[in-house]
Amino acid sequence: KAGVTQTPRYLIKTRGQQVTLSCSPISGHRSVSWYQQTPGQGLQFLFEYFSETQRNKGNFPGRFSGRQFSNSRSEMNVSTLELGDSALYLCASSHNGGGYEQYFGPGTRLTVT
Amino acid sequence: GENVEQHPSTLSVQEGDSAVIKCTYSDSASNYFPWYKQELGKGPQLIIDIRSNVGEKKDQRIAVTLNKTAKHFSLHITETQPEDSAVYFCAAANSGYALNFGKGTSLLVTP
Repeated sequence: KAGVTQTPRYLIKTRGQQVTLSCSPISGHRSVSWYQQTPGQGLQFLFEYFSETQRNKGNFPGRFSGRQFSNSRSEMNVSTLELGDSALYLCASSHNGGGYEQYFGPGTRLTVT
Repeated sequence: GENVEQHPSTLSVQEGDSAVIKCTYSDSASNYFPWYKQELGKGPQLIIDIRSNVGEKKDQRIAVTLNKTAKHFSLHITETQPEDSAVYFCAAANSGYALNFGKGTSLLVTP
């Protein structure tokens, strides 16, 4: 089976812009979770989508949003980018969700200047 | 919410030695404990996991132990090899909720 894919792999944006990241889960997985990874804060949970519905949400401002499509592919959007949003954004898919057996993609490295 | 603490933050061992990484968690309702390995430029890779109804699980050179009473779990890697060098993360989850990760352990295996 193909693994989790994320596009783009690298992105450079300017403060105030918005960005959309994409994630394609492992075939058959209905859950997609998004995490932000930074050296200072480590891996932090953003949100989880299961069968197109947001099931869990982490403690991030409303500028961070996401959605899931009927084919389980997911996108996350960050509006009004801030310098502190520079991070590796990781997507993970699982069959049943809820943190169980999550498989991560390679991530999108976002740099905000 | 759940708080996961991981120690040590860095660990250096010689090839062939064992490595042990320890984590503690705060939420007694947590029931799923995975371990991830992250190599440079890659996403975390699930290497082993354990559920709260099991005390120990082994997969070749790696094993995980869980002490629910003390709320701690550990990763054991035996006969370490240079390719085991990476950052290792522990995590905990309460069924239906998200993973809470430790801060990571940078393991270096020297030949």
